[in-house]
Amino acid sequence: GAVVSQHPSWVICKSGTSVKIECRSLDFQATTMFWYRQFPKQSLMLMATSNEGSKATYEQGVEKDKFLINHASLTLSTLTVTSAHPEDSSFYICSASRARGDTQYFGPGTRLTVL
Amino acid sequence: AQSVTQPDIHITVSEGASLELRCNYSYGATPYLFWYVQSPGQGLQLLLKYFSGDTLVQGIKGFEAEFKRSQSSFNLRKPSVHWSDAAEYFCAVAYTGGGNKLTFGTGTQLKVEL
Repeated sequence: GAVVSQHPSWVICKSGTSVKIECRSLDFQATTMFWYRQFPKQSLMLMATSNEGSKATYEQGVEKDKFLINHASLTLSTLTVTSAHPEDSSFYICSASRARGDTQYFGPGTRLTVL
Repeated sequence: AQSVTQPDIHITVSEGASLELRCNYSYGATPYLFWYVQSPGQGLQLLLKYFSGDTLVQGIKGFEAEFKRSQSSFNLRKPSVHWSDAAEYFCAVAYTGGGNKLTFGTGTQLKVEL
């Protein structure tokens, strides 16, 4: 149990285009989902926290207009990187938890490369 | 703000040898502590967690960790390492009232020599 999937697993796009990444909790309902960014050989940095049915809470320094997060259902959250640029290339990881304060279960990540 | 330090960026051990990965945290109160493992192409997998109670925590795959409040540490141990344990290991901390937001350490890359 507690499986989280992400789609796509990797994506290459041109600079200036937008990319949507999906995060799904497959066998449980996730009240809260988190989005992280991981640079090569570095740790995970929390970008934002989303609660189902409400606006996401972004960490300091994360542009909310650039990284649009939607958590429309208890099993799906999406991250849209708008007008992507090469510096947005990274590994994006989501996690989901059943309730606030509960253990986070992580997806396998999405590798984004912006040309 | 809380922080997590993993002093060892890389560790190499021989298969069958014991392992200890270090983790220190900085936080005023007792945090929630986690160890995750990340293998290439796979998501982070929770090895174990400490919330309260017994300070020696048993996890999956034969791992254990000990919370030492006096040293602000939560070191991960395994008595006998297998080649399949080669991966990146992350220590993480969450704090009460923080909505289980995790702060991760920089990770330790484990290499296992056969």
